[in-house]
Amino acid sequence: GAGVSQSPSNKVTEKGKDVELRCDPISGHTALYWYRQSLGQGLEFLIYFQGNSAPDKSGLPSDRFSAERTGGSVSTLTIQRTQQEDSAVYLCASSSDQRETQYFGPGTRLLVL
Amino acid sequence: GNSVTQMEGPVTLSEEAFLTINCTYTATGYPSLFWYVQYPGEGLQLLLKATKADDKGSNKGFEATYRKETTSFHLEKGSVQVSDSAVYFCALTVMNRDDKIIFGKGTRLHILP
Repeated sequence: GAGVSQSPSNKVTEKGKDVELRCDPISGHTALYWYRQSLGQGLEFLIYFQGNSAPDKSGLPSDRFSAERTGGSVSTLTIQRTQQEDSAVYLCASSSDQRETQYFGPGTRLLVL
Repeated sequence: GNSVTQMEGPVTLSEEAFLTINCTYTATGYPSLFWYVQYPGEGLQLLLKATKADDKGSNKGFEATYRKETTSFHLEKGSVQVSDSAVYFCALTVMNRDDKIIFGKGTRLHILP
């Protein structure tokens, strides 16, 4: 595939529901990042996967947020019991090495009503 | 720890003006430095990068020089265009393989015709 893909592109959900966001990184990229970008704000780091190492979860805002990366490829970000303040664009990026250029997906725009 | 500080926006300039967006960093080790750009309605993409001291990254008329003595990587362009209106993010990574990329908060640039 060409670049990083994310699905869904848009998600509207009701407060209290769980959501799953998916990221397909560029094939062969060992590093994968999740970020959150609220309206008019900068990038908020959420979680970082590097190869088989334990993920860096230091950016997850609460225990309602979790992420996994299966087989070193696809990643899923799960938000449980969504709140209105979770509304944002969730961005995924991958790179061949954490020192190299990151390639960003188009993002998933999440709206919690 | 590692960090990136960039000038707060928004920055508003007239077309053909000279642009500088300041970025300074704190890092252990020898970082690689990046500028990413996010055009309206689009995803983040790499603008330029430099991997060692005194290197100059350049792209689309933008330049940034890796200054180890001042721990800076300021973004410059001699004559901006309306199409340069975007949000610009400074970022770094370091040699330690466990370290994630660190982004600045972003600087919004508005170019007036």
